[in-house]
Amino acid sequence: DTEVTQTPKHLVMGMTNKKSLKCEQHMGHRAMYWYKQKAKKPPELMFVYSYEKLSINESVPSRFSPECPNSSLLNLHLHALQPEDSALYLCASSQTGQGFTGELFFGEGSRLTVL
Amino acid sequence: AQSVAQPEDQVNVAEGNPLTVKCTYSVSGNPYLFWYVQYPNRGLQFLLKYITGDNLVKGSYGFEAEFNKSQTSFHLKKPSALVSDSALYFCAVRDPDRGSTLGRLYFGRGTQLTVWP
Repeated sequence: DTEVTQTPKHLVMGMTNKKSLKCEQHMGHRAMYWYKQKAKKPPELMFVYSYEKLSINESVPSRFSPECPNSSLLNLHLHALQPEDSALYLCASSQTGQGFTGELFFGEGSRLTVL
Repeated sequence: AQSVAQPEDQVNVAEGNPLTVKCTYSVSGNPYLFWYVQYPNRGLQFLLKYITGDNLVKGSYGFEAEFNKSQTSFHLKKPSALVSDSALYFCAVRDPDRGSTLGRLYFGRGTQLTVWP
């Protein structure tokens, strides 16, 4: 069982809708990540938060808006998406600091379909 | 530039036979290497990692990987494959910026493993 929980598991939205994806972890990790994955492709990094501050934005379009309300929660707000944004969105968390070796813990993902 | 390559899109093996999923890497310093597995419609699960030390790394579900510095490879292996091992396998390397304490990973394109009964 994964210790990173993502909701919803499936989401269908129109191009004018506003929706949010949510992620929660209780492992005490201080870094959280959003990845986007197309079918049969590797995950692509979107955002990284460290200690609730946005540390990495991989030039993601502004129609994706991340938010980290506290060390356990990570949201991804979606607005005016395009059909090509349909994908599996994966949340991950990790330790930070000295001694951290890079292992990420992934959630099950949220399958997004944009009509 | 740091990267990993998985030369095979697909690996097919009969149940009970040994399996190998290949990965080669290119990094500027000493690599941190990882294998993840993804079952259909699921997230990625960590299998094993190489940081330093013994070149043979043992991981979850009976998998192991051999780090070979001279060949810049980190192949995933299992002595006896199971049908339930059928999944998508990703090799990954950590950003070699040693000043970074964040887990930015660079993934290979993935290898679909199919184990036939």
